[in-house]
Amino acid sequence: NAGVTQTPKFRILKIGQSMTLQCTQDMNHNYMYWYRQDPGMGLKLIYYSVGAGITDKGEVPNGYNVSRSTTEDFPLRLELAAPSQTSVYFCASKLQGVHTEAFFGQGTRLTVV
Amino acid sequence: AQSVTQLDSQVPVFEEAPVELRCNYSSSVSVYLFWYVQYPNQGLQLLLKYLSGSTLVESINGFEAEFNKSQTSFHLRKPSVHISDTAEYFCAVSDPHAGGTSYGKLTFGQGTILTVHP
Repeated sequence: NAGVTQTPKFRILKIGQSMTLQCTQDMNHNYMYWYRQDPGMGLKLIYYSVGAGITDKGEVPNGYNVSRSTTEDFPLRLELAAPSQTSVYFCASKLQGVHTEAFFGQGTRLTVV
Repeated sequence: AQSVTQLDSQVPVFEEAPVELRCNYSSSVSVYLFWYVQYPNQGLQLLLKYLSGSTLVESINGFEAEFNKSQTSFHLRKPSVHISDTAEYFCAVSDPHAGGTSYGKLTFGQGTILTVHP
């Protein structure tokens, strides 16, 4: 089973460039999330979605955008990359409910220079 | 809003020693609690969870966590650690009473890096 797949694994961007981090899951999960992980800061929620066509902001949404046109895919868009967006990004998905397990992708390590 | 505090950012221990990773949460209502583990260069994976019932929950690899409602804590323990337990551990909380699109959302602590030395 593929689970949650993120691409790319690594990327270096120049300030002002844009890019899309891809996330796809094959478990038919309704809920999907994007987190960023910075050293000593834990995981901060950027955006999340509870189903196709429904997205909502998390704790740190500024500088990012998302869309959810299908159940499987939840891409994260950076429009104007800034050094503050240097981080490791994780996509996760889970079945509907508060008790269900979240499954994470392997992460995308992004450096903005 | 809920918050989760992991009291130790790094915990170094020797192999076969016991370890406790501390987690406190702030919530006036009942919540669901989770521990996730992140091995180097990997994503997070569920270690164990508390939903209801017995306050002591166990994982398949020897970790256990105890839910203490009066202390609002969910500390993770292992009586004897192995080198392979070296990882970052995250405590997380989910509020079953959250409404709307917040239902099911996880809030994570800052993480504790466990390093097991030979």
